[in-house]
Amino acid sequence: NAGVTQTPKFQVLKTGQSMTLQCAQDMNHEYMSWYRQDPGMGLRLIHYSVGAGITDQGEVPNGYNVSRSTTEDFPLRLLSAAPSQTSVYFCASSYRADRVYGYTFGSGTRLTVV
Amino acid sequence: DAKTTQPTSMDCAEGRAANLPCNHSTISGNEYVYWYRQIHSQGPQYIIHGLKNNETNEMASLIITEDRKSSTLILPHATLRDTAVYYCIVRVASMEYGNKLVFGAGTILRVKS
Repeated sequence: NAGVTQTPKFQVLKTGQSMTLQCAQDMNHEYMSWYRQDPGMGLRLIHYSVGAGITDQGEVPNGYNVSRSTTEDFPLRLLSAAPSQTSVYFCASSYRADRVYGYTFGSGTRLTVV
Repeated sequence: DAKTTQPTSMDCAEGRAANLPCNHSTISGNEYVYWYRQIHSQGPQYIIHGLKNNETNEMASLIITEDRKSSTLILPHATLRDTAVYYCIVRVASMEYGNKLVFGAGTILRVKS
């Protein structure tokens, strides 16, 4: 049982490049989400999914796309990287999209856009 | 979601109990209290949650006052590895906002030998 696995751990991109941050969980969690964490701004929700085939926008979705073709995987795509997207990205999952359950977070992807 | 107030930082001696307070005076009847922590450079880690009764798991205990306006997270025997930022979160699930977690500034707990 690996929990939530994020890859890569570190990435440097040039402005305008695209890439996909991977997130996989092996706990059969329905709910998956992506957050970014910036100094002084806490965690901000980018996109989330309540099940395979269902995704929705969070509070800072611009510049990012997601898909949920399987229960296990929830990749985050940066369409055209910008320096403002330099951040630490966390994937989190929960058994159900319900307040009763705690979230399991991945170890993060540290992204630098130059 | 109810606003929470936590001390900015606390120190604790290794092996002693760490008691982290949280005020949530505007909590509603259907809001739970959650605690997470974030060790430097790692993802946040869920610790415990509760509604009105005291809760205990392998990591910690959560004491909620009878009026539910405040709570205390207790780490019974703190170790150096417990040094982290601890977040108290009070929330109602709302899919309108993606069931998002709102982390405040939290309490920096420093466990010292």
